[in-house]
Amino acid sequence: AQSVTQLDSQVPVFEEAPVELRCNYSSSVSVYLFWYVQYPNQGLQLLLKYLSGSTLVESINGFEAEFNKSQTSFHLRKPSVHISDTAEYFCAVTPVPNSGGYQKVTFGIGTKLQVIP
Amino acid sequence: DGGITQSPKYLFRKEGQNVTLSCEQNLNHDAMYWYRQDPGQGLRLIYYSQIVNDFQKGDIAEGYSVSREKKESFPLTVTSAQKNPTAFYLCATSLMGGSNSPLHFGNGTRLTVT
Repeated sequence: AQSVTQLDSQVPVFEEAPVELRCNYSSSVSVYLFWYVQYPNQGLQLLLKYLSGSTLVESINGFEAEFNKSQTSFHLRKPSVHISDTAEYFCAVTPVPNSGGYQKVTFGIGTKLQVIP
Repeated sequence: DGGITQSPKYLFRKEGQNVTLSCEQNLNHDAMYWYRQDPGQGLRLIYYSQIVNDFQKGDIAEGYSVSREKKESFPLTVTSAQKNPTAFYLCATSLMGGSNSPLHFGNGTRLTVT
């Protein structure tokens, strides 16, 4: 079984300032990691994912996340936020499978990013 | 455009009535999922299906039922047995049930039961 902790339920930040949204996970096996973004009254969209290889992954809109195995973290960062980044962000993990079949996705409770003009 | 269509966007029902939420996809994805989202609780899995005519209970299946008669469709029925049905319901798909395929989500149905 795995669990995900998003330590901050809300993060207010001024426009053009940097931001870090924290995500820690717990798992007895290796995992894949994901960040999803949800705009108001919409579904979730994949922002970025770590499956293997380089521990630093980037999205097309300037977000990046670094997988840190020793600290079991996958924090999301952006050096300069825009008003349009205001949304809720969800961290998710799923185990690397040993065999085929369904592997459960576990979501954190989400962090609301509020960008202040 | 390929995507996932959930309808209706808003749904209002009286307590004691069953209600069915629609989810249709044209992504040709094998796996489909229903999640429930409540403020401060993240997403919780209700049911999932990896192939047609087969589905499995998730973490909170009580009071819900599903069917998967076609690859494209995975309707969710919220029955009167569900004690607290008011929530935001999200349908999702993935290429396969394996864990390295990200989830694709519809835009949700907000159900209010009074």
